[in-house]
Amino acid sequence: DVKVTQSSRYLVKRTGEKVFLECVQDMDHENMFWYRQDPGLGLRLIYFSYDVKMKEKGDIPEGYSVSREKKERFSLILESASTNQTSMYLCASSLGQGFARNTEAFFGQGTRLTVV
Amino acid sequence: AQSVTQLGSHVSVSEGALVLLRCNYSSSVPPYLFWYVQYPNQGLQLLLKYTTGATLVKGINGFEAEFKKSETSFHLTKPSAHMSDAAEYFCAVTPAGNNNDMRFGAGTRLTVKP
Repeated sequence: DVKVTQSSRYLVKRTGEKVFLECVQDMDHENMFWYRQDPGLGLRLIYFSYDVKMKEKGDIPEGYSVSREKKERFSLILESASTNQTSMYLCASSLGQGFARNTEAFFGQGTRLTVV
Repeated sequence: AQSVTQLGSHVSVSEGALVLLRCNYSSSVPPYLFWYVQYPNQGLQLLLKYTTGATLVKGINGFEAEFKKSETSFHLTKPSAHMSDAAEYFCAVTPAGNNNDMRFGAGTRLTVKP
């Protein structure tokens, strides 16, 4: 089974702190994604990466950065946490382009971040 | 660009009744379509997907969905709801052959009444 593991299920951080959310996948997937989930808004893409050291902005990248130094690990960084970043964060991975029918994303359990 | 609209943020059915969750998509290229389910405090799990071939696709837990190109729809159905089906359901679309760009709907919360 594909496994996507997020380092924390729940986090509470203070405004202005630098926050790291870690995600590891064990299926050698090329693509990795960070989404933010808020009620009534569904999942919104923050950043994705299609290869080591490669990253692309999603729909809501402001206030976030990412790092992918190894294929299996994709980190989301909140440079200076703010209360409007309180949310559920979901990491996902998938095979790269060219795998025509095996395109689904596999998700981690989510990290519920509260910024106070 | 792709987008997904899920009609109805909340759907409530009685146990044993038909489940119908609606999804319409917009895509400038042939789409791949997905339904995911999210149980409380968990990540998303794939229910079923349409890529090519048969337009009626069957998934896990008795769910199925039909791709209707003329209606740009991919509605999710289950003939008989079970209490364990209570969850949030997300429809998603990605351009065929470009799975870097997966877009999700806002989600539909399904409640099943005894």
